[in-house]
Amino acid sequence: AQSVTQPDIHITVSEGASLELRCNYSYGATPYLFWYVQSPGQGLQLLLKYFSGDTLVQGIKGFEAEFKRSQSSFNLRKPSVHWSDAAEYFCAVAARGAGSYQLTFGKGTKLSVIP
Amino acid sequence: SQTIHQWPATLVQPVGSPLSLECTVEGTSNPNLYWYRQAAGRGLQLLFYSVGIGQISSEVPQNLSASRPQDRQFILSSKKLLLSDSGFYLCAWSAPLWAGGGNEQFFGPGTRLTVL
Repeated sequence: AQSVTQPDIHITVSEGASLELRCNYSYGATPYLFWYVQSPGQGLQLLLKYFSGDTLVQGIKGFEAEFKRSQSSFNLRKPSVHWSDAAEYFCAVAARGAGSYQLTFGKGTKLSVIP
Repeated sequence: SQTIHQWPATLVQPVGSPLSLECTVEGTSNPNLYWYRQAAGRGLQLLFYSVGIGQISSEVPQNLSASRPQDRQFILSSKKLLLSDSGFYLCAWSAPLWAGGGNEQFFGPGTRLTVL
């Protein structure tokens, strides 16, 4: 069965600093990987996705993620964090089920931004 | 464009009372539909998914049930709520596999359920 690990429960960074959120996955085949962001009390918004091809993928809001098969990782990065980036971030892997793909999520990393 | 709605946004219910949460999708046909529950510090747990009208797959045994009476409507129900049913319930949709989609899921705004 597939699994996703986000080792950091909570990260605090200063505004303008760089950010890297870690994600490790376990999946037997080529993974489909996603990063979602959730503001308090809101639904999840898709930031970016990796299906195949270029291992560095660009997303919305200036985020990017790099797929490293050898490390089973899909880390999320942003060169300069804005206060509005404070939220919870979820990494997910998609696995083929009966008639649909099913997402398995990590437990999330909460990002706090110091002004 | 596609939109997904959930209601109510918040709900406070006594233990033992029934539950009905509704999710509807606009702007797409034959979507795959999903119900998740999110508890603090535990990520998202897939409860049910549906690939068509009347077709429901359950991922976790519990006192909840789901129904899909129409193509773009997904309902989460319970006959008797438990304290442990409290949480944030999210509905999501994805394009069907036969249409070349199905990897990405798009989430609704969620329903905060508190069982007292």
